[in-house]
Amino acid sequence: EIVLTQSPGTLSLSPGERATLSCRASQSVSSSYLAWYQQKPGQAPRLLIYGASSRATGIPDRFSGSGSGTDFTLTISRLEPEDFAVYYCQQYGSSTTFGQGTRLEIK
Amino acid sequence: QVQLQESGPGLVKPSQTLSLTCTVSGGSISSGSYYWSWIRQPAGKGLEWIGRIYTSGSTNYNPSLKSRVTISVDTSKNQFSLKLSSVTAADTAVYYCARDHGYRGIDYWGQGTLVTVSS
Repeated sequence: EIVLTQSPGTLSLSPGERATLSCRASQSVSSSYLAWYQQKPGQAPRLLIYGASSRATGIPDRFSGSGSGTDFTLTISRLEPEDFAVYYCQQYGSSTTFGQGTRLEIK
Repeated sequence: QVQLQESGPGLVKPSQTLSLTCTVSGGSISSGSYYWSWIRQPAGKGLEWIGRIYTSGSTNYNPSLKSRVTISVDTSKNQFSLKLSSVTAADTAVYYCARDHGYRGIDYWGQGTLVTVSS
């Protein structure tokens, strides 16, 4: 089973700043099979990025994904107040796994 | 617009079987190349994938839960279901059903339903 490790656990930033979230896999993941989700309290997760770098429908272009192999990154170019949430990476395969999440909080 | 809605008991006794159903609306569960998945989240913790089913009936399960999980589909009712046997308090969580578009990600989610395992 592929283990995904996200860092940092918590990221404290201010609106307008740039956020960089990391997801590292225990073995190589096809770039096509890496996704990112945003989850706000009391809500279901929302798909942001699939295929490592493709934005899902309706996702603002301040969200971008990159990476390959075992190292992937979600970047939020300029934080808006509504971006403060928990973010998860996910790899798709015969067995899907999620990272443990990164909490993005207001500084 | 596809919508998913979980239903089932909110309280299950230890050692019993947890049973949930997901009703899909706004589209046929049989159309397109989609998997239909179950994911859970204990309070204050991260997401755990439980398993998924394709409309052909083929399934994939989380290896850590495989011995206790059964996912089935009823295309006539546009529903799919989860059964988790021999539950313990560790199975207490919000359970989500979702549409899994494979490499395109899990693009539609239900609102989630809290299931508590307690006597």
